Amino acid sequence: SYVLTQPPSLSVAPGQTARITCGGNNIGSKSVHWYQQKPGQAPVLVVYDDSDRPSGIPERFSGSNSGNTATLTISRVEAGDEADYYCQVWDSSSDHVVFGGGTKLTVL
Amino acid sequence: EVQLVESGGGLVQPGRSLRLSCAASGFTFDDYGMHWVRQAPGKGLEWVSGINWNSAGKDYADSVKGRFTISRDNAKNSLYLQMNSLRVEDTALYYCAKDISRFGEPPFDCWGQGILVTVSS
Repeated sequence: SYVLTQPPSLSVAPGQTARITCGGNNIGSKSVHWYQQKPGQAPVLVVYDDSDRPSGIPERFSGSNSGNTATLTISRVEAGDEADYYCQVWDSSSDHVVFGGGTKLTVL
Repeated sequence: EVQLVESGGGLVQPGRSLRLSCAASGFTFDDYGMHWVRQAPGKGLEWVSGINWNSAGKDYADSVKGRFTISRDNAKNSLYLQMNSLRVEDTALYYCAKDISRFGEPPFDCWGQGILVTVSS
């Protein structure tokens, strides 16, 4: 089955840029989606199809995908961005939805 | 406003059954695929099952295949998850989620608040 690998944690100072990676075999050939989950809340879609943003998501959130790594970039990080972030793909070989293990972003 | 509301969770003994429901509102339910995603306490997200708009396509995670059954009633704007032969490791918060197409594939643009299922003797 397809596996997505994320770093468990990342710490960034306010105003800096956070880059959260999601590794997978030839992930560049798939569409990657990213979710933000704050404590006690349901996940929220922040980037879909590698780099598109749903309405209402700040431009500070962006995404890229190439080769074996997809990246969610959060520019000018704010305290309110502190959350768990998950990447997700559709594995067409198994008809399964796959989530990465999640990355806990801490704003120092 | 798009809204998904789960119900039917609770405490159940290992080996028993439980049926979750998800009531949808604020969108044309039969235009979209739907999913169940779970999150064990303190753990990450795990996709459980998905169904396309007309129920012709259903998929299951390996961990639940043969025990769980997803279904939908478009006339009632409702999604269901029948969970049989429950195990302790099925303990989790179960989310209902809507995808952005008819086909039962991600991404998921709307999630319910989740319903807790606890499997314990």
